[in-house]
Amino acid sequence: QLQLHESGPGLVKPSETLSLTCTVSGDSISRSDYYWAWIRQPPGKGLEWIASIYYSGSTYYNQALKSRVTISVDTSKNQFSLRMTSVTAADTAVYYCARRRGAYLDSWGQGTLVTVSS
Amino acid sequence: EIVLTQSPATLSLSPGERATLSCRASESISSYLAWYQRKPGQPPRLLIYDASNRATGIPARFSGSGSGTDFTLTISSLEAEDFAVYYCQQRGRWPPSFTFGGGTKVEIK
Repeated sequence: QLQLHESGPGLVKPSETLSLTCTVSGDSISRSDYYWAWIRQPPGKGLEWIASIYYSGSTYYNQALKSRVTISVDTSKNQFSLRMTSVTAADTAVYYCARRRGAYLDSWGQGTLVTVSS
Repeated sequence: EIVLTQSPATLSLSPGERATLSCRASESISSYLAWYQRKPGQPPRLLIYDASNRATGIPARFSGSGSGTDFTLTISSLEAEDFAVYYCQQRGRWPPSFTFGGGTKVEIK
């Protein structure tokens, strides 16, 4: 059974870099059927897609966040990662990793809360 | 960028009643629409994809319809576990991007 698990610091200082990793188990991240994605949900707000990546390294970004975000994949560890620079309080959110099948997100991790505060 | 508008924001119903949720796109998205259910403390769960196809393991009381700009999620008879927030989502054509609606909360009346 597919499982996705987000890990990373729960507290990041303003202007610093947020780094999260998603570990995939129960399936290979290198399967050609899927992309892998990061999504977030700030407190009291809606869902926002951040970025997607294919195992080969092809990436797609939310244009509003593109200048600050990098998504990467490590097939040897069955993991993919998110890096977001110059964070502010507006980046405080629950961050989810998910599997993208076609146009949809069919499996999600439990999410991890990242708070941006000094 | 395509904007998805969900209505109503909140739907107050009793168990056993029918729930009808709406999602309207700012321009035509053909049938490339999904619905997700989110309960407190849990990640979103895919319910419906391609506007009308139920995802694996989703009960038959959930159904989706629509195409173009107007879409509907119907829960034929609400059960206790169905009270949650529901989001619609579409994928932009190129470059691929994903946008979500603002959500509809289905609460117990």
